[in-house]
Amino acid sequence: DQQVKQNSPSLSVQEGRISILNCDYTNSMFDYFLWYKKYPAEGPTFLISISSIKDKNEDGRFTVFLNKSAKHLSLHIVPSQPGDSAVYFCAANLQGGSEKLVFGKGTKLTVNP
Amino acid sequence: EADIYQTPRYLVIGTGKKITLECSQTMGHDKMYWYQQDPGMELHLIHYSYGVNSTEKGDLSSESTVSRIRTEHFPLTLESARPSHTSQYLCASSDARILNEKLFFGSGTQLSVL
Repeated sequence: DQQVKQNSPSLSVQEGRISILNCDYTNSMFDYFLWYKKYPAEGPTFLISISSIKDKNEDGRFTVFLNKSAKHLSLHIVPSQPGDSAVYFCAANLQGGSEKLVFGKGTKLTVNP
Repeated sequence: EADIYQTPRYLVIGTGKKITLECSQTMGHDKMYWYQQDPGMELHLIHYSYGVNSTEKGDLSSESTVSRIRTEHFPLTLESARPSHTSQYLCASSDARILNEKLFFGSGTQLSVL
């Protein structure tokens, strides 16, 4: 049973526009959330994270929003650039170490020039 | 920047062969991990280690084994490869001293068993 769900396998946006990637989770005990970005034939790289005590975290063009009541988080990329084209994984953690991290299936973002 | 290395990047091998996937990190991280990932699927944790001489099984059952004799080295071994082992294998490490430590991943090994 998937605890972290990314229901959109793919997303296509125009360069300069906003990209919104969504993630839903089922376990209300999750208290820390991360986004990783993965290029083909490469390992994931950390992008941004948010603690459950916050509802927003911003880092440059990337903003993550957390809605605990809806068990939903989203990653906003503004403005989108062709180099942002990659697979984005949402991950959630219970209190404790990263061995408890649960990943979603990822969303493939394509940013068209 | 992360300094974690995996070799080989790609491996095509016949059924029944023994293989070892190498992973090394130069960051001095105590914790290391092996994940398995198929296209369009989640990353699944198959092994992890808290430090030297520590190995634990992850959430996904795997026929592979791991060892941790040195802090920087965490190899994964398949005694007899099968086509069902075809997948991407990702090694990662993290600093256990940091709350909610983030994972640093290697570039992965794409394994194809014929």
